[in-house]
Amino acid sequence: EAQVTQNPRYLITVTGKKLTVTCSQNMNHEYMSWYRQDPGLGLRQIYYSMNVEVTDKGDVPEGYKVSRKEKRNFPLILESPSPNQTSLYFCASRRDFSSSYEQYFGPGTRLTVT
Amino acid sequence: SQQGEEDPQALSIQEGENATMNCSYKTSINNLQWYRQNSGRGLVHLILIRSNEREKHSGRLRVTLDTSKKSSSLLITASRAADTASYFCATDAWGGSNYKLTFGKGTLLTVNP
Repeated sequence: EAQVTQNPRYLITVTGKKLTVTCSQNMNHEYMSWYRQDPGLGLRQIYYSMNVEVTDKGDVPEGYKVSRKEKRNFPLILESPSPNQTSLYFCASRRDFSSSYEQYFGPGTRLTVT
Repeated sequence: SQQGEEDPQALSIQEGENATMNCSYKTSINNLQWYRQNSGRGLVHLILIRSNEREKHSGRLRVTLDTSKKSSSLLITASRAADTASYFCATDAWGGSNYKLTFGKGTLLTVNP
């Protein structure tokens, strides 16, 4: 089954404790991205990746890091989480960006930073 | 920055009625997509319309695109309680070093049985 998986689905952590949210897709997609969703603000893109070893900032990259060492994986790293990073996070992938293909979303990771 | 802006923010209708949601955007696009999200879950792609298309249908969904007015509408006909969800438009634009799919804030649709 074609899918995007994220782990963990729920995470409660404390300020400053480094964490990684994993994202994996099994569709051999080139393009992957991370979004955060907050009430009243909609979805905002954090980082995206056009292909392996190619990443770029989205609209709200501060406080986040990503890497793309393999095509299927695109982890989101919070080196020193802060309470304002409490949010619902979505990973997404699509075949590539230049073609008109839909974007597939993971189930979401609800992060709470206390 | 938000590209697409949906209108209305919330819509409540009775089962069987039609639901229309609108999306306006600011800059040139390559295509526009509509997504659906059930509460707290991942977004599901509904339909994609290219910038050179004016109308597209998929089952009970009808999407229009007016590039001169920079607007799109999503019509759901004969709505069902299961259509209750948030609906987002997303504008697809790329050029130079900018490759972005930008989402609006969504319309919350409630279909009452």
